[in-house]
Amino acid sequence: AAGVIQSPRHLIKEKRETATLKCYPIPRHDTVYWYQQGPGQDPQFLISFYEKMQSDKGSIPDRFSAQQFSDYHSELNMSSLELGDSALYFCASSLGLRDTQYFGPGTRLTVL
Amino acid sequence: AQKVTQAQTEISVVEKEDVTLDCVYETRDTTYYLFWYKQPPSGELVFLIRRNSFDEQNEISGRYSWNFQKSTSSFNFTITASQVVDSAVYFCALSEVRYGNKLVFGAGTILRVKS
Repeated sequence: AAGVIQSPRHLIKEKRETATLKCYPIPRHDTVYWYQQGPGQDPQFLISFYEKMQSDKGSIPDRFSAQQFSDYHSELNMSSLELGDSALYFCASSLGLRDTQYFGPGTRLTVL
Repeated sequence: AQKVTQAQTEISVVEKEDVTLDCVYETRDTTYYLFWYKQPPSGELVFLIRRNSFDEQNEISGRYSWNFQKSTSSFNFTITASQVVDSAVYFCALSEVRYGNKLVFGAGTILRVKS
């Protein structure tokens, strides 16, 4: 069965640079979630989209923005990167706002 | 407020032992969902189970079983006859319908199964 696709899988950036992470949900899933997992920590919710509209917002820095496109894929844009942004970024998708979230493999971002 | 507590930071067992991972949650909502996810060393998050707040039936799937007790706000996970491949971090998580289905995770329990 098709799973959530995230690209790139690994990304290395310098401080103050920008990064764009992409997420392709499971076919027919209309809801996308972004989570950030720091080293040795649990995943923290950043933001979610349902039918291309933002549905909820968590602890997402103002330097980050995201959107969901007409084909339901989503992009997380991160600017003015800081060392503390180094983390594993997960995208998850679900069918509607009450369904189980299935996670992608994650993008490991390293900020030097 | 939503909160999930996994008091066991790390558990080590020998292969074939049974092991139970504890999860206690807090919520003011009457409609909520509880989850367990597995994160192996490779890093991905693998969905294991979802229970809704109205279904307290215990569930068994192969060597895995889950015990949901609303009276104690607990959703414990037992692995029977553990195997080395079970070594991973296990996260318990909660979502509330009125909070848009976002997952609130516990801190995770590291399970090490030795051969």
